[in-house]
Amino acid sequence: AQKVTQAQTEISVVEKEDVTLDCVYETRDTTYYLFWYKQPPSGELVFLIRRNSFDEQNEISGRYSWNFQKSTSSFNFTITASQVVDSAVYFCALTMEYGNKLVFGAGTILRVKS
Amino acid sequence: GAVVSQHPSRVICKSGTSVKIECRSLDFQATTMFWYRQFPKQSLMLMATSNEGSKATYEQGVEKDKFLINHASLTLSTLTVTSAHPEDSSFYICSATMARDINQPQHFGDGTRLSIL
Repeated sequence: AQKVTQAQTEISVVEKEDVTLDCVYETRDTTYYLFWYKQPPSGELVFLIRRNSFDEQNEISGRYSWNFQKSTSSFNFTITASQVVDSAVYFCALTMEYGNKLVFGAGTILRVKS
Repeated sequence: GAVVSQHPSRVICKSGTSVKIECRSLDFQATTMFWYRQFPKQSLMLMATSNEGSKATYEQGVEKDKFLINHASLTLSTLTVTSAHPEDSSFYICSATMARDINQPQHFGDGTRLSIL
């Protein structure tokens, strides 16, 4: 069975601080895909990144960066110089087949205060 | 990019009413659509998987007679919450994918906030 654990229920930071959101996953599949989504208060899901199990390269996109480590089954997400607009719920998700159903973690509420 | 339209965005209705939610893929053919439910301050849980032209596959614990899913075309899936009660109040969100295209991720609708009084 597949499982995604986001142990941090809620994180509060002050603007301009760096923050890392943790994601640990479990799967027996050798091929799988990991995702991060942002859910602002309005409710829609905003796609941030996908990573397949064969690509362990870390990725940076502006203030966002992701650290994928298969050895620890982790796919952590770091926001550098956080801003108030980053306040949202962030979900890590897993699927064994691209385009198939997603298994979501519980989500981490990020509050960035000015 | 690919767009999924979900309608309505918000519904408030009386207990016992049936509510239909539509999920449309606007610029691609969605071979598969997924319906998720999210209770307040909780994660998204998959309710069912809907493939065009066939019966939906429901997750364990989801009542198929309560949550009717129809996927009659490659661009439209509907979720009908029959005889809705307050405990059905939740955020329902659909996603669509063209499964044969590995370059296409799941595309999510904006969700429907259902409140049953």
